[in-house]
Amino acid sequence: GENVEQHPSTLSVQEGDSAVIKCTYSDSASNYFPWYKQELGKGPQLIIDIRSNVGEKKDQRIAVTLNKTAKHFSLHITETQPEDSAVYFCAAERGSFKTIFGAGTRLFVKA
Amino acid sequence: EAGVAQSPRYKIIEKRQSVAFWCNPISGHATLYWYQQILGQGPKLLIQFQNNGVVDDSQLPKDRFSAERLKGVDSTLKIQPAKLEDSAVYLCASSLDGDTEAFFGQGTRLTVV
Repeated sequence: GENVEQHPSTLSVQEGDSAVIKCTYSDSASNYFPWYKQELGKGPQLIIDIRSNVGEKKDQRIAVTLNKTAKHFSLHITETQPEDSAVYFCAAERGSFKTIFGAGTRLFVKA
Repeated sequence: EAGVAQSPRYKIIEKRQSVAFWCNPISGHATLYWYQQILGQGPKLLIQFQNNGVVDDSQLPKDRFSAERLKGVDSTLKIQPAKLEDSAVYLCASSLDGDTEAFFGQGTRLTVV
């Protein structure tokens, strides 16, 4: 079955710096890759996603890149702000189901 | 628009007891998911419904967990009997269909003692 590995588990950056979180997946049939942000006491919230027919997608300070050949995808946050502090999860999905989440990255943005 | 509603928010039970969680998805959402999130881990899909039919329950421990979505709207997840390792947050999510954004509820934090 699908396996999603996420690194690093913890990331600390200075406000204004960039943050990069990387994920690898094992199932070459996976075709949808969402990223979620989870704040304390809340459920995950989708922040950006990418499908397998696209290599890069950007939304303001957030971007995601996908390398299908290497089966890895990354989240890039530029100009980080304290409110970006949260746990971020990557996920991989095949078709309309079988969503597998990574273990999460706890991001700390120091003011 | 109202989000995904879950209740209760917190539950503490003793091992071998039973517990049930309730989820009300966003109106009009055909797909409903139940996830288990153990502390420090990512959510793990337990079961996915499309309307009132099960699409995927391959990771549901069927000897103790059960879920239903009568009438294709609200859903309940039951654990009977509970084990210590069932301590986790149980998240419900819904989407218009399985191919669109999933919206999560706040979850139910279960502690089994």
